[in-house]
Amino acid sequence: DAGVIQSPRHEVTEMGQEVTLRCKPISGHDYLFWYRQTMMRGLELLIYFNNNVPIDDSGMPEDRFSAKMPNASFSTLKIQPSEPRDSAVYFCASSRSNTEAFFGQGTRLTVV
Amino acid sequence: GNSVTQMEGPVTLSEEAFLTINCTYTATGYPSLFWYVQYPGEGLQLLLKATKADDKGSNKGFEATYRKETTSFHLEKGSVQVSDSAVYFCALSSRSNDYKLSFGAGTTVTVRA
Repeated sequence: DAGVIQSPRHEVTEMGQEVTLRCKPISGHDYLFWYRQTMMRGLELLIYFNNNVPIDDSGMPEDRFSAKMPNASFSTLKIQPSEPRDSAVYFCASSRSNTEAFFGQGTRLTVV
Repeated sequence: GNSVTQMEGPVTLSEEAFLTINCTYTATGYPSLFWYVQYPGEGLQLLLKATKADDKGSNKGFEATYRKETTSFHLEKGSVQVSDSAVYFCALSSRSNDYKLSFGAGTTVTVRA
């Protein structure tokens, strides 16, 4: 398996624009997690899915953030409108129940 | 709820020195414990894991033992290399928390030649 695949690796956008981050989890994994990493706050869990269903989105910072998982092999994290304080590295991870999570390479987002 | 506390960094060592990063946890039930490593510009990679008390995880010369009596999972390596320079995260997951990973704050380790 190729592992968790995220795209794009880097994204630079202007404030107010919509940003969509994409994730393909490892086949057969039933959990998918979205994390954000910044110097100030470290790793934060934004939202996670189990069998494509959102279970806990309490980490999503504002209504500007939304996430979907239309099928077992694809998830998106959308920010609309984006703001400079959203600049961070966003990671997607997947796992099977009771096993370790595997992380993607991350998307480095810069909002100017 | 679950939580992980790990030693604050940064840690700077010389090559071939001994490395210890302390990690303690609070959890309900019987969590699985992990150490992840993040090299510059990359995602997190699983370094080692332990799923029950007294288990020892090991990989690439690193070791950690699941100590239920002291709720600890300290990471050790006897002789570090420059290539071990990275950020190390202690983490746990448990069924009672729906297998969400709870991470420590991370410890930055720099090894000098």
